[in-house]
Amino acid sequence: AIQMTQSPSSLSASVGERVTITCRASQGISVNLAWYQQKPGKAPNLLISGASSLQGGVPSRFSGSGSGTDFTLTISSLQPEDFATYYCLQDYNYPPTFGQGTKVEIK
Amino acid sequence: EVQLVESGGGLVPPGGSLRLSCAVSGFAFRSHWMHWVRQAPGRGPVWVARIDYDGTEIIYADSVRGRFTISRDNAKNTLYLQMNSLKREDSAVYYCVREGHGYIPLDSWGQGAPVTVSP
Repeated sequence: AIQMTQSPSSLSASVGERVTITCRASQGISVNLAWYQQKPGKAPNLLISGASSLQGGVPSRFSGSGSGTDFTLTISSLQPEDFATYYCLQDYNYPPTFGQGTKVEIK
Repeated sequence: EVQLVESGGGLVPPGGSLRLSCAVSGFAFRSHWMHWVRQAPGRGPVWVARIDYDGTEIIYADSVRGRFTISRDNAKNTLYLQMNSLKREDSAVYYCVREGHGYIPLDSWGQGAPVTVSP
């Protein structure tokens, strides 16, 4: 199975800060990479698919980039509602695999 | 509005069985591949199984193959997960998840059904 490694595992940031989360695949996955946001007690919510395509209703402060093995999720200006855990997912081949998550906390 | 509502979770002893159901509404169920994904407390999500439009093609994670069975009833707009020979490590919240069309992966999730395997 393809291993997905996220970094950092957690970070503290202030409202208005720019935040970057990375995800590295153990082998090339083209752009078959999605990003999810999960808040406590809730299901994950799809933010970005195809490495960079923002889903409908997702604020434009979220963006994704990358291809092959290295990917990035950027939040341009962190808002109070963005404090959550973020996961990447590869759906290049089976089994689909998630990163271990990045918890974004308030500084 | 797309809705996926899981039911059937609960407490079961090791070696026991449980059947999860997922009733969907707000979209053409028969036009989407469907998945089960689970998440243990404090851990990331883990994919469990996938079924195609009519149950012809099914794939399982190695950890559940031979013990779990995914199925669907398109007439009832319902997805199922039959879980047998349950182990402690199967304890998790189980999510019913829709796969999108084109290059859209797991795009709509249910609220989750908690499963606890314990004596």
